[in-house]
Amino acid sequence: DTAVSQTPKYLVTQMGNDKSIKCEQNLGHDTMYWYKQDSKKFLKIMFSYNNKELIINETVPNRFSPKSPDKAHLNLHINSLELGDSAVYFCASMGPSYEQYFGPGTRLTVT
Amino acid sequence: SQQGEEDPQALSIQEGENATMNCSYKTSINNLQWYRQNSGRGLVHLILIRSNEREKHSGRLRVTLDTSKKSSSLLITASRAADTASYFCATDVEGAQKLVFGQGTRLTINP
Repeated sequence: DTAVSQTPKYLVTQMGNDKSIKCEQNLGHDTMYWYKQDSKKFLKIMFSYNNKELIINETVPNRFSPKSPDKAHLNLHINSLELGDSAVYFCASMGPSYEQYFGPGTRLTVT
Repeated sequence: SQQGEEDPQALSIQEGENATMNCSYKTSINNLQWYRQNSGRGLVHLILIRSNEREKHSGRLRVTLDTSKKSSSLLITASRAADTASYFCATDVEGAQKLVFGQGTRLTINP
């Protein structure tokens, strides 16, 4: 009965590869997010979707493409991975009182 | 630049003592939220305080908000070893439809 789940938990890949991270929430929330947390723990928003529509794109390189097939899912596809993409990526959804529920994170390591 | 700045960056206290963390921000907000992140995990929502509120309590947590000084504090009373984690403040910026996170305070409770 996990509220926000992400797969995979760990992802190790080489520069230039393309990879995807999947996120699902079973809370019935309309709004979902992708965040990037760097090695200094700084958490930065990347994208936000409301009911399958993109509402925030925080000047993320267009190698990153989010896709929301339905309001319970928000996936992140990354093309041509670079060393600087190494980070922990978190998916989150927003509850009715504006609090956010985070997934467990996907640790991406690009070598 | 970051919206939220937290102080201190790291705090180490003995079990049973109180822990206070501070957060300052720059622009007008709808609300301010505090989250906890245990090592290797996602963030967990602790408490939300609205811009028209000055103080809020939840169990051993007490949050204050001073909008004139653009600052908030989180007090954890009677700390326990399980409180060891990073704590983040996040501001729901007016008109921005997103949360902006501070860099976090790493709290260590020594048994």
